[in-house]
Parts: sequence; C-alpha cells; structure tokens
Amino acid sequence: GVTQSPTHLIKTRGQQVTLRCSSQSGHNTVSWYQQALGQGPQFIFQYYRKEENGRGNFPPRFSGLQFPNDSSELNVNALELDDSALYLCASSLFPGETQYFGPGTRLTVL
Amino acid sequence: RKEVEQDPGPFNVPEGATVAFNCTYSNSASQSFFWYRQDCRKEPKLLMSVYSSGNEDGRFTAQLNRASQYISLLIRDSKLSDSATYLCVVNGGTGGFKTIFGAGTRLFVKA
Repeated sequence: GVTQSPTHLIKTRGQQVTLRCSSQSGHNTVSWYQQALGQGPQFIFQYYRKEENGRGNFPPRFSGLQFPNDSSELNVNALELDDSALYLCASSLFPGETQYFGPGTRLTVL
Repeated sequence: RKEVEQDPGPFNVPEGATVAFNCTYSNSASQSFFWYRQDCRKEPKLLMSVYSSGNEDGRFTAQLNRASQYISLLIRDSKLSDSATYLCVVNGGTGGFKTIFGAGTRLFVKA
C-alpha cells in the first residue's frame, strides 16, 4: 500500500518542511493533496514518470519530487499558519485512474 | 462557482433507507469520475468508479450524465457501517491535469 511519514509534525511559521510518501509498487503517478478540517482534499500537484503533470492553485513554495524508487516528497517553504492541515499522498498506475491514498501527515504550524 | 459541487448535507437516515448523493462539475473536458468514502480522521478510500453506462456494486449504484455534467451515487438498504463522508472526484480538464474533490457529504445512518 501507500505509506507516508511522518504521521504528525509541528513546525513554526517561516520554517520549511519535507513530507514523504512511498507509492504502491509499480505505480507511475503520485498526487499530493491538502485537506483542511471539514473540507474535501485540495489538489496540490501530480507527478507522472518523475515530471510534474498538473498543478492546483498552490503557490510555488509548495514543490515536489518523484524518485525512481516509487517514493516522492512534498516540500513547503516559508510555512504559514494556514498551511496547518492533513497532507495526503495518493498513487495510481496512470493519471486519471483509481488513486490509492496513504494515511496522511498531519501538519500543525504554530 | 466551484468546479465540483456536492449536496452540503449532513444526511441523517434510518437503517434500511435509500440515500441519494448528487454531484455536479463545471469542466466539460473532465475525463474520469469516482466516488470515494472517507471515515473520520482516515484517508479517502475508493468506493466506485463512475461510467456513463452506470456502475452497480451490491447496494451501491453510480451514474454519470456527461450532457448535464452530473454524477450520482445511490445507496440502498443503508447500514450503520455506511456512516461516513462521501466524496465526488473529477479528473482531467484543460490546461494541465487536475483532480478535483467535492467538499463531501456526511452521512449518518441511525439504528
């Protein structure tokens, strides 16, 4: 399945954070989402075969990488209080196909 | 207008009831459609893919109407374990790939 680390994280405003995800074996596509309490997940971006394939309405301080070993990371610079949320990673064979989600990383920015 | 809109809910129904969830999307270039279920403080899990021809899995039926840009989910004979948030998901579009989730509709099934 899809795994994410860490489970929880507390940072202060202005800091930088890296969240990690391990995709399901053989999946070429990974997407990252931000989910605030009581809202649906918001699409941050998607990587397909190591290239950014699509991006939601998030500023450039949200960036990512996809590695050859089915892992990926989400980097957020200059953290703001509003970045506090659950961050979900999902993998799929190809863009547009069924996505399988990891358990998420809960980020708190103080 | 939001790109994907769902009934705001919550829905409170007795066991055995039939429940219908509705979802509309704004981008006619959207390519694939799903319903996901999310339990409290858990990750979303796939419930069903949605096709124009309809898709049925036991008590669950999903339907897509491309002309009206409308997606539906029907749950028959509701169980207590169906209590969750139901999320409509739309993939694709123009100007780069996107996955858009609706805000979700919370369902409470009561004994």
